[in-house]
Amino acid sequence: QKEVEQDPGPLSVPEGAIVSLNCTYSNSAFQYFMWYRQYSRKGPELLMYTYSSGNKEDGRFTAQVDKSSKYISLFIRDSQPSDSATYLCAMETGRRALTFGSGTRLQVQP
Amino acid sequence: DTGVSQDPRHKITKRGQNVTFRCDPISEHNRLYWYRQTLGQGPEFLTYFQNEAQLEKSRLLSDRFSAERPKGSFSTLEIQRTEQGDSAMYLCASSILAGVGTDTQYFGPGTRLTVL
Repeated sequence: QKEVEQDPGPLSVPEGAIVSLNCTYSNSAFQYFMWYRQYSRKGPELLMYTYSSGNKEDGRFTAQVDKSSKYISLFIRDSQPSDSATYLCAMETGRRALTFGSGTRLQVQP
Repeated sequence: DTGVSQDPRHKITKRGQNVTFRCDPISEHNRLYWYRQTLGQGPEFLTYFQNEAQLEKSRLLSDRFSAERPKGSFSTLEIQRTEQGDSAMYLCASSILAGVGTDTQYFGPGTRLTVL
């Protein structure tokens, strides 16, 4: 079993929809949680970073961490066609290498 | 462009050949990471450096793989006697470790390796 599980999708939504992306994990030592966006044949780009449990909002993006359930989420409001990409969750124990999920491919239809 | 750069962007080689990739991190970033990403998967950690010291190597990094960061700036990743299973995107990331907490990793565009 992988340490980080993520539904690969693809997830297809109409423009303007609210998107919910999720990851579960098994290692309780993870403290730092990130969401990266990766366009086709490009490197991952950091979207959100959260320490421990709670919510964090940045524009149309909201990241949630529930450490008691070992579950993290990324919400995208008012989704745009330019949001079409693969979204990777990543986490780490602190100052070490990242452990990634397999990524969820999102398609926002105009 | 002040981001992480990688060279070459694409490499096609025949099985058994040696290949070397280069990564130039963001200036003044003291940490440098190498990851490998195969199709439909997330990046997997290979190794990382703090300055010129290689601090950790994944079990994915077999004896055929070697990485260096000789002056604490750019890094090279060499794969000897390539195998078809080495075909993947090789990603480099850099960060600056400052104080407590985690360090935000910024990724380069990757080098796509195809082993025929």
